[in-house]
Amino acid sequence: AQTVTQSQPEMSVQEAETVTLSCTYDTSENNYYLFWYKQPPSRQMILVIRQEAYKQQNATENRFSVNFQKAAKSFSLKISDSQLGDTAMYFCAFHPSGTYKYIFGTGTRLKVLA
Amino acid sequence: EAGVAQSPRYKIIEKRQSVAFWCNPISGHATLYWYQQILGQGPKLLIQFQNNGVVDDSQLPKDRFSAERLKGVDSTLKIQPAKLEDSAVYLCASSLGGTSGSGDTQYFGPGTRLTVL
Repeated sequence: AQTVTQSQPEMSVQEAETVTLSCTYDTSENNYYLFWYKQPPSRQMILVIRQEAYKQQNATENRFSVNFQKAAKSFSLKISDSQLGDTAMYFCAFHPSGTYKYIFGTGTRLKVLA
Repeated sequence: EAGVAQSPRYKIIEKRQSVAFWCNPISGHATLYWYQQILGQGPKLLIQFQNNGVVDDSQLPKDRFSAERLKGVDSTLKIQPAKLEDSAVYLCASSLGGTSGSGDTQYFGPGTRLTVL
């Protein structure tokens, strides 16, 4: 079965510092998509970043970047220059190409400290 | 651009009662998803529609849950009868594409928090 594991239930980081959230997944598929979603307190979930497995280049979106290691089945999210507004639950999600499946991890609660 | 709308935002019911949730996706989005998010867990996909057809309902407890998407736009999710373990946030999401496995970005609604007593 395909699974997504986020091994850090909670993390904290000082404002302006850098933090890395980990995500590993298990699959026998070769083509798939990986996502990081952010769910702020009492607000709706939004996409942070998206990675296509066939692309070797790591995706970046402003202060957010990923370290995609396909062989290791690892997809970590790095947040640079952390801001108070980054405080949220972060979910890693896996989507095999050509299927309707979306599998989410259990999330990492990130708190940015002033 | 208006986002995904859901109602109600909160619902408290007794076990064995029925409940229905409504979702209005972003205009023009072909694909609609319903997720169940139990406290402390990630969202679990219950059902996925492309236009008004079901493409995946493998994790929907069909003995008590049902869903429909009217005219390929709005959708309702119903639970009848509810159990204690149905207490969760029910999220609706939509995405633009009509092709499976294309990795479209999902846009989520605010969710409906259901408490079953």
